[in-house]
Amino acid sequence: KQEVTQIPAALSVPEGENLVLNCSFTDSAIYNLQWFRQDPGKGLTSLLLIQSSQREQTSGRLNASLDKSSGRSTLYIAASQPGDSATYLCAVGKTSGSRLTFGEGTQLTVNP
Amino acid sequence: NAGVTQTPKFQVLKTGQSMTLQCAQDMNHNSMYWYRQDPGMGLRLIYYSASEGTTDKGEVPNGYNVSRLNKREFSLRLESAAPSQTSVYFCASSEVQAAYEQYFGPGTRLTVT
Repeated sequence: KQEVTQIPAALSVPEGENLVLNCSFTDSAIYNLQWFRQDPGKGLTSLLLIQSSQREQTSGRLNASLDKSSGRSTLYIAASQPGDSATYLCAVGKTSGSRLTFGEGTQLTVNP
Repeated sequence: NAGVTQTPKFQVLKTGQSMTLQCAQDMNHNSMYWYRQDPGMGLRLIYYSASEGTTDKGEVPNGYNVSRLNKREFSLRLESAAPSQTSVYFCASSEVQAAYEQYFGPGTRLTVT
């Protein structure tokens, strides 16, 4: 059974800092990996999707990498801003390419 | 283009009551999903539908039923609600041509007393 772990569970940083969020998974036979953002009381917003054949994806100040062999992904946020404060969730898709297994998330606070 | 919509946003039920959570997507996606989110447990898949006319159990299907009414709509039914079903419920959809990137609705916050 796939298990997804996100460390740390919570992170507080000053504005402007570059930071890395970590995600690890136990079964390397994945189809894709998706990073989401969730604001309090809201739904999930997709940030980046990495397919199993890819090593990284970038969107603005965000960069996600994938190392299938070691079962790890990182989300890099450059020049953090208070508006980046949210919970960031990592989810791994099965080889059948449909169902996602989620980590519990990292709660990020960026202080002005 | 509303994406994924869910109704209702909030609901309070008494133990034993039934209700149906509605989900619709306007992105012409084939696959749809129902998740629940609980503190300390993360998001867990309840049921999913790979395409119109098919449904399959996820990780936590007990106490729920689903209907894929058509390509747009996927409903989740609680036949006899229990306090353990107090949770936030999310619907999502995806498409193989987009590498199954999942798009989520805003959620339904359900309390069972």
